[in-house]
Amino acid sequence: AQKVTQAQTEISVVEKEDVTLDCVYETRDTTYYLFWYKQPPSGELVFLIRRNSFDEQNEISGRYSWNFQKSTSSFNFTITASQVVDSAVYFCALWDSNYQLIWGAGTKLIIKP
Amino acid sequence: GAVVSQHPSRVICKSGTSVKIECRSLDFQATTMFWYRQFPKQSLMLMATSNEGSKATYEQGVEKDKFLINHASLTLSTLTVTSAHPEDSSFYICSAHGWGQRNTIYFGEGSWLTVV
Repeated sequence: AQKVTQAQTEISVVEKEDVTLDCVYETRDTTYYLFWYKQPPSGELVFLIRRNSFDEQNEISGRYSWNFQKSTSSFNFTITASQVVDSAVYFCALWDSNYQLIWGAGTKLIIKP
Repeated sequence: GAVVSQHPSRVICKSGTSVKIECRSLDFQATTMFWYRQFPKQSLMLMATSNEGSKATYEQGVEKDKFLINHASLTLSTLTVTSAHPEDSSFYICSAHGWGQRNTIYFGEGSWLTVV
């Protein structure tokens, strides 16, 4: 079955700490995409990254980095030197062969000043 | 800039009335659009998949007569909540998928519906 698991319901860290959000997925497909989205309190979904299943290169974008490991079916997201503005709910999602997004439950990240 | 526009962003309606939410792909043709509902502190729940020119496919448990979806063109899909009740109050968000260089999914800004 297609499934995305974000085991961390809520994470709270102090500003400037590094934090990693975990994402584990299950899929029968050999071709798929993985996404991370940020949802601030206003509600809109902010696209962070899309990763093709054939591309296992890690990605770094400023303070954000992603570690994609097919061997463990994980696509973890790390924020370095966290800031208060990073506080939001973060969703990991799997785009399957039916072009539907399978969503994780989300991780609420709280960055304390 | 936004590639999928959703309108209205916030709407308040009286119980028993109907309200329409629009989802537009701004610079690409969206062959498929998806409608989600999100309850507070929960993940997004897929309501239906909408393909241009055909009837929407509803997820189990979603009333198709209550949540009318029309995808009349490659750039517009609408969700109409009919005979709205307070329990329909929620955050509704659409996404659009297009092919080619747009072979990815884009989300609208979402619509907060409050039924009073």
